[in-house]
Amino acid sequence: GDSVTQMEGPVTLSEEAFLTINCTYTATGYPSLFWYVQYPGEGLQLLLKATKADDKGSNKGFEATYRKETTSFHLEKGSVQVSDSAVYFCALSEIDSGGSNYKLTFGKGTLLTVNP
Amino acid sequence: DSGVTQTPKHLITATGQRVTLRCSPRSGDLSVYWYQQSLDQGLQFLIHYYNGEERAKGNILERFSAQQFPDLHSELNLSSLELGDSALYFCASSVGPDPSYEQYFGPGTRLTVT
Repeated sequence: GDSVTQMEGPVTLSEEAFLTINCTYTATGYPSLFWYVQYPGEGLQLLLKATKADDKGSNKGFEATYRKETTSFHLEKGSVQVSDSAVYFCALSEIDSGGSNYKLTFGKGTLLTVNP
Repeated sequence: DSGVTQTPKHLITATGQRVTLRCSPRSGDLSVYWYQQSLDQGLQFLIHYYNGEERAKGNILERFSAQQFPDLHSELNLSSLELGDSALYFCASSVGPDPSYEQYFGPGTRLTVT
């Protein structure tokens, strides 16, 4: 079945450091891929998405490219800020073969802490 | 504030009991999704309703059920509660019929089963 594997945290960085959070997936077809962010005490927010191979999603300085050949959707940011401290979730959705249902699968989340 | 409201914020109940969680979507959104978040299982998609109809099912137990009403609010019913059902339950709403449309999450209901 579909699955999402993301790097285990926690990840601790200093402000202005480069961030990469790895995400790989398994799917039977052509899923859409997402990164969500959850700030402390809040619900999730969509950070970015990509719906087909080679698409690049970007938002708030974060980027991720849909790589079908490596089944990956790694999240990157060139210079992190303290305010980026949160839990990041990689997710995929895939319509089933009959077209009447879909699967929505999340990774386990990666806690990022950015120190000043 | 996402515009999605969930009640109650906290719920403490005993094993074997039944509870109902309520979600009001953002104005204009037709979809409501339900999720369970716990330390051991992470974030699990439970069920999705679109304009009153069930659209997709995830890892929802048979003891759990949901519905979406004509005014588009939704309720998640959890019955024969077990200790392992203790979790944070989120709902999310979106304008479209599938996850490609951005979902807006509510603040969650924290359920504690004792």
